[in-house]
Amino acid sequence: SQKIEQNSEALNIQEGKTATLTCNYTNYSPAYLQWYRQDPGRGPVFLLLIRENEKEKRKERLKVTFDTTLKQSLFHITASQPADSATYLCALHQAGTALIFGKGTTLSVSS
Amino acid sequence: DSGVTQTPKHLITATGQRVTLRCSPRSGDLSVYWYQQSLDQGLQFLIQYYNGEERAKGNILERFSAQQFPDLHSELNLSSLELGDSALYFCASSGTAGETQYFGPGTRLLVL
Repeated sequence: SQKIEQNSEALNIQEGKTATLTCNYTNYSPAYLQWYRQDPGRGPVFLLLIRENEKEKRKERLKVTFDTTLKQSLFHITASQPADSATYLCALHQAGTALIFGKGTTLSVSS
Repeated sequence: DSGVTQTPKHLITATGQRVTLRCSPRSGDLSVYWYQQSLDQGLQFLIQYYNGEERAKGNILERFSAQQFPDLHSELNLSSLELGDSALYFCASSGTAGETQYFGPGTRLLVL
C-alpha cells in the first residue's frame, strides 16, 4: 500500500542545534516533494520544493535533500531557534494525483 | 498572510445539520483545493477545482460537495453532519503551475 511517513511525531532539541526531520514514502514515484510549516490552529505555509532530479535545495537556514533510491527526504534547520517550533509537514506530488501530506513532525526548540 | 481567505473562522452546529464554508483564492489563482484536518488523520485532501471545473477528488464523503464559481471563489457544503466531521477545514489555492499551494487560515467546525 502507499504510505508517507514522517519519522516521529515530536522532536525536541536545544537552541542552536540542527534539527533533522525525515520523510519516507512507499509505493509512490513523486515528481517533487514539498515541506510546509504549520503553527497551531493555522494553515500550512510553504517552505521548500525539491524535484526528483535534484539532490539538495537550500533556503537560508533550511536545507532539504531528496533521495529517490532510498525514497526519503531529509529536512534540516540549522542554528535552530525557539521561533522554529512548529509542526513540519512533508507532501509529495505524483503525476495524476493531488498533493499527499504526511502527518507531520512537531519540533520544539528550547532555549 | 497567504492571500487566501476563508469564512467563517469558527462554526458550531448540531448533528444532522448542513453548513457551507467559503473560500476566496489568491488573486489570479485558478485552482482551489479543500482539505480536512483532524488530530488523528492529518491533512486529508478532499477535492480540487480548476477554473470552475472539478479537477481531482480525494476521500470526500458523499455528504460533502463543493463548487467553484465564475469569480473563482469556492464553497464546500457539508450536510447530514456527524460528530466525526468536527475538524479544521482548509482551503488552498495555486497558480497555473499548480505546485506550491497557499493555504487559508481555516474554518474550525465543531459538531455537537
